[in-house]
Amino acid sequence: QVQLQESGPGLVRPSETLSLTCTVSGDSITGYYWTWIRQPAGKGLEWIGRIFSSGSTKYNPSLRSRVSMSVDSSKSQFYLNVDSVTAADTAVYFCARNRRDVVSDVVHYYYDMDVWGQGTTVTVSS
Amino acid sequence: DIQMTQSPSSLSASVGDRVIITCRASQSIDTFLNWYQQKPGKAPKLLIYGESSLQSGVPSRFSGSGSGTDFTLTISSLQPEDFATYYCQQSYSTPITFGQGTRLENK
Repeated sequence: QVQLQESGPGLVRPSETLSLTCTVSGDSITGYYWTWIRQPAGKGLEWIGRIFSSGSTKYNPSLRSRVSMSVDSSKSQFYLNVDSVTAADTAVYFCARNRRDVVSDVVHYYYDMDVWGQGTTVTVSS
Repeated sequence: DIQMTQSPSSLSASVGDRVIITCRASQSIDTFLNWYQQKPGKAPKLLIYGESSLQSGVPSRFSGSGSGTDFTLTISSLQPEDFATYYCQQSYSTPITFGQGTRLENK
């Protein structure tokens, strides 16, 4: 079955760039939307944005100026960059797959997430 | 942004109880409402999508209902493995937003 695994530095200095990778295994990365979500310790879930396997993106306006996502289908990986980080960016970061289904050969895409990575903790501190 | 408000924020219940968690959207979201379960140190798990459709592998004691702005998640007979935090999520429009969570604890 499909599995997702986040990877990247656990500690990032303030004002620097947070960079994370999500590796997809067990299924193709092609033809799906992929999402990043974060969760500060003891708090709720924040949608960061999503990327299609072709590279089209949509970001949360609250982070749009600092966030970028990309995908490398040949490596079955997609990526998250958050620029100019502060302590407020300290969180567990999850990657996830958006659910889709196929009805009468038509693919429908949804904004709920049916497969998640285990999450990776990123701390912003000097 | 669409604001999602869950109630209660925390709930104490016993095994075998019927539990209801509510979620209210700040504007109509049709039936684009999803529910997740999260256990400590784990990723959220999709339970229900599209207001009432049960995700594959999720026990039938979980059910969802509602439309427009008001939704409920019902656990018909609480099991020991159900103690967790539950989140609603609207997928009607971006930015996608979540409720603040309902922590379900063992009484």
